[in-house]
Amino acid sequence: GAGVSQSPSNKVTEKGKDVELRCDPISGHTALYWYRQSLGQGLEFLIYFQGNSAPDKSGLPSDRFSAERTGGSVSTLTIQRTQQEDSAVYLCASSSSPDTQYFGPGTRLTVL
Amino acid sequence: AQSVAQPEDQVNVAEGNPLTVKCTYSVSGNPYLFWYVQYPNRGLQFLLKYITGDNLVKGSYGFEAEFNKSQTSFHLKKPSALVSDSALYFCAVRDYRGFKTIFGAGTRLFVKA
Repeated sequence: GAGVSQSPSNKVTEKGKDVELRCDPISGHTALYWYRQSLGQGLEFLIYFQGNSAPDKSGLPSDRFSAERTGGSVSTLTIQRTQQEDSAVYLCASSSSPDTQYFGPGTRLTVL
Repeated sequence: AQSVAQPEDQVNVAEGNPLTVKCTYSVSGNPYLFWYVQYPNRGLQFLLKYITGDNLVKGSYGFEAEFNKSQTSFHLKKPSALVSDSALYFCAVRDYRGFKTIFGAGTRLFVKA
């Protein structure tokens, strides 16, 4: 079946612009996660959604970052007024239980 | 708060030799522990997990990991390394009460022929 998909695969933007990153989870998966992987760094937890519960936003690095999940499926991560330090690979994952996560290919964001 | 430590940035091993990638964790209550692998230019893939039961967990590609509660460790092992095992390995921990999962910084494994 189809895995987790993310779009765009690459995004180059100018400092100060807003960007939206999209994640399509595996159908039926109730949990959705966003992580950030900077060059040479590990995975940094950003946010997760579980069903209709309030999302856990404890990993968002600043108020410029926000995410929503519509209809319990597609999620959008928005970064406002991008900064160069936001350059990273943004990974989305989904799971059907508090268990194994299935990762998408990621969106490589470059802020010039 | 949950945390994961992978004390080695890099592990080098010769093909055919056993390999160990170390992981220690801190979490309230019983942990859910995971290993994921990231091959070059490919996405993260699940390797194995410990939820409950036997302390020795077997996973994909011949890998296994041993849960040690007293040492709060979950080291990844393989009896005989392959060059194709060269990749970035991540240990992760989740608190049994919720979904939030914390990943370690990753350990790069190099297997030399």
